[in-house]
Amino acid sequence: KAGVTQTPRYLIKTRGQQVTLSCSPISGHRSVSWYQQTPGQGLQFLFEYFSETQRNKGNFPGRFSGRQFSNSRSEMNVSTLELGDSALYLCASTADRGDSPLHFGNGTRLTVT
Amino acid sequence: AQSVSQHNHHVILSEAASLELGCNYSYGGTVNLFWYVQYPGQHLQLLLKYFSGDPLVKGIKGFEAEFIKSKFSFNLRKPSVQWSDTAEYFCAGGAGNMLTFGGGTRLMVKP
Repeated sequence: KAGVTQTPRYLIKTRGQQVTLSCSPISGHRSVSWYQQTPGQGLQFLFEYFSETQRNKGNFPGRFSGRQFSNSRSEMNVSTLELGDSALYLCASTADRGDSPLHFGNGTRLTVT
Repeated sequence: AQSVSQHNHHVILSEAASLELGCNYSYGGTVNLFWYVQYPGQHLQLLLKYFSGDPLVKGIKGFEAEFIKSKFSFNLRKPSVQWSDTAEYFCAGGAGNMLTFGGGTRLMVKP
């Protein structure tokens, strides 16, 4: 079974631009979550989507948004990029049963200059 | 507010030494607890999980963790580490798929 796939692996953007990251979950997984990993703040929850609906949202500004498609693939978007948005963005999927853990992708490394 | 803390930021051990990494959580209500590992250049992988039942849980690669409710702890243990255990270890807790992660512990095992 293929794992969680994130594209692209690396991105370099300029302040003020916007960016879209993509995530394909494990086949059959309907829940997709996004996390931001930085050296200073560690791993922080961004949001979770299930059946094309945002189910939970972390404490991030409205510049961070996401969506999920009918095939469970998900995208996250960051508008008006700031230097502090430089991070590794991780996507995780789960079968969303009671004891199902998160399965993480390799992440997208975003650098904002 | 929910929080997860890992007190050891860096740990250096020799091969065959025993390992214990501390994790404390602060939570209201039912909590699911996890340990994830991130090997150099690889994605986060699940080591073990606790949802309910036996507080001593066994995971992959000889790791285990004990949930002690009275101490709000979920420490990770391994009786004898190997060089290949060099990685960063993350404790996490939460309800559903919204996890709070600890700051991570970088483990270096010297051959």
